[in-house]
Amino acid sequence: DADVTQTPRNRITKTGKRIMLECSQTKGHDRMYWYRQDPGLGLRLIYYSFDVKDINKGEISDGYSVSRQAQAKFSLSLESAIPNQTALYFCATSDGSAGMPQHFGDGTRLSIL
Amino acid sequence: AQSVTQLDSQVPVFEEAPVELRCNYSSSVSVYLFWYVQYPNQGLQLLLKYLSGSTLVKGINGFEAEFNKSQTSFHLRKPSVHISDTAEYFCAVSGGPRGSNYKLTFGKGTLLTVNP
Repeated sequence: DADVTQTPRNRITKTGKRIMLECSQTKGHDRMYWYRQDPGLGLRLIYYSFDVKDINKGEISDGYSVSRQAQAKFSLSLESAIPNQTALYFCATSDGSAGMPQHFGDGTRLSIL
Repeated sequence: AQSVTQLDSQVPVFEEAPVELRCNYSSSVSVYLFWYVQYPNQGLQLLLKYLSGSTLVKGINGFEAEFNKSQTSFHLRKPSVHISDTAEYFCAVSGGPRGSNYKLTFGKGTLLTVNP
């Protein structure tokens, strides 16, 4: 089983719909992150969380919200999806050690029509 | 604030040829540096990282990178590539021991295509 699991892997939906992307991890890490990847733009940080009660905005948080339901679960919501939120979304975790390499899920490909 | 520039968006090479993927960064503080690889339909995997010490860092799959502080570079190299190395490669930076080392800033990626 994967250490960082994202569901769903693919989703197609319509403009204006509410969408939730889920992430769960078995690595026991405290820190969790949500990124979006767009072709030619690399990965950009949406939100990050150091623990259940500590959630922070990243560089592109507008239009998104998150919930850290437990140490192992971190979900990303689009309250009213718009087409320019079509992207590949990644969840990542880290343990806070020096250099803090992040461990990534396999991504959710989201298309908004 | 940190930034990362990957100088080539695409690098085509033939199998068994050497390759260098270039990465430059800017930061006002000491940094940690990373290279990640993304195979099709997968997430990112850590190839190697530089935290401190020796400036030549060896990673998985025969890759290595050299940290050059004076040139603010962290180029990735492999002496002989295989078809299976075809993937997108991302350079990333975070603040070092005295910086904000909890956030990664990524470059825009370099697509390495290895041709037979």
